[in-house]
Amino acid sequence: SQQGEEDPQALSIQEGENATMNCSYKTSINNLQWYRQNSGRGLVHLILIRSNEREKHSGRLRVTLDTSKKSSSLLITASRAADTASYFCATDGTGSARQLTFGSGTQLTVLP
Amino acid sequence: DTAVSQTPKYLVTQMGNDKSIKCEQNLGHDTMYWYKQDSKKFLKIMFSYNNKELIINETVPNRFSPKSPDKAHLNLHINSLELGDSAVYFCASSQGFKREDNEQFFGPGTRLTVL
Repeated sequence: SQQGEEDPQALSIQEGENATMNCSYKTSINNLQWYRQNSGRGLVHLILIRSNEREKHSGRLRVTLDTSKKSSSLLITASRAADTASYFCATDGTGSARQLTFGSGTQLTVLP
Repeated sequence: DTAVSQTPKYLVTQMGNDKSIKCEQNLGHDTMYWYKQDSKKFLKIMFSYNNKELIINETVPNRFSPKSPDKAHLNLHINSLELGDSAVYFCASSQGFKREDNEQFFGPGTRLTVL
């Protein structure tokens, strides 16, 4: 099974509303990262939160991490049509061969 | 300037053919990766190289062979292409896989279609 599972799989909101996406994972992590993928493009790194952090902000983004529940959430405030994209969480594990394990993604649609 | 570039962007080929995808990064990063993204957008790592040395080799058919001539390049050669190889392949790089913050930079992807 996948390390990261996003919830919901798809989310449709009106411009100006907030969007919240959740991610659950299974194993110990060094950090958890969120990426955005616009249609037909590569992934773009948004924000990284370390395992010893609980919350982090970057512009309109707020990420929380609960290592006891092995879950994270990404909040996008005051959404814009340009935020329409797929959002992925990725966990950076604690193994010797560090690698990112991506979740299945949330497709966010922001309607103008 | 493009940080991580891949060529070609689209690749359409017949089953059984051999093809290559090239990747270059101009970020001075030590670590490079190949990912496969399927039709459901699930992204799975295939290989990872650090300073031209293989560090991750997931369960990938040996028809796939990565080659890193230098740390700025990681090419992917695929032999005897099969229908199931159709996907989008992404190259990525990071400063170093052992770094605390292992943020990755992705290329634009290569959409491979096997007919």
